[in-house]
Amino acid sequence: EAQVTQNPRYLITVTGKKLTVTCSQNMNHEYMSWYRQDPGLGLRQIYYSMNVEVTDKGDVPEGYKVSRKEKRNFPLILESPSPNQTSLYFCASSRLAGTYNEQFFGPGTRLTVL
Amino acid sequence: GNSVTQMEGPVTLSEEAFLTINCTYTATGYPSLFWYVQYPGEGLQLLLKATKADDKGSNKGFEATYRKETTSFHLEKGSVQVSDSAVYFCALTVNTGNQFYFGTGTSLTVIP
Repeated sequence: EAQVTQNPRYLITVTGKKLTVTCSQNMNHEYMSWYRQDPGLGLRQIYYSMNVEVTDKGDVPEGYKVSRKEKRNFPLILESPSPNQTSLYFCASSRLAGTYNEQFFGPGTRLTVL
Repeated sequence: GNSVTQMEGPVTLSEEAFLTINCTYTATGYPSLFWYVQYPGEGLQLLLKATKADDKGSNKGFEATYRKETTSFHLEKGSVQVSDSAVYFCALTVNTGNQFYFGTGTSLTVIP
């Protein structure tokens, strides 16, 4: 089944404790992206990747890191999480970068930082 | 800059009612426009899109027309069903198609 998977689905952590949210797609998609969803703010793009080893900042990259060492994986790293990073996070992928193709979204990761 | 403004929700309609969800945008380049839908507990799914002015995107009875003169992309459906209850997001991308901008989402509840 073609899908985008994220792990974990739920995470409660404390301020300053490094964490990684994994994202994997099995569709051989070139483009991958991370978003956060907050009430009243909608979805905001954190980082995106146009291909292996090619990443760029979205609208709200501060406090986040990403890497794209393999085509299928695009982990989101929070080196020192803070309470304002409590949010619902979505990973998405699309067949080609630089086009207007459909994005396929993962099920989301709900992160709480205490 | 680039941004999307959607009508405030929540919206509650009776089954078979007509739906309009307003979306307007500002863009520094020539945008492509999208509507995504999010069902409870799930990720977003593409509902429809339009990539140039006067294009009409349509899917599952929903329609939206790309109006460059009014910078709008309003979502419409002639007769909603209970199964249409979800959150609807308007979105745009410009130029390279790599950076996306979403609206705040409009929650729709359809009652029998």
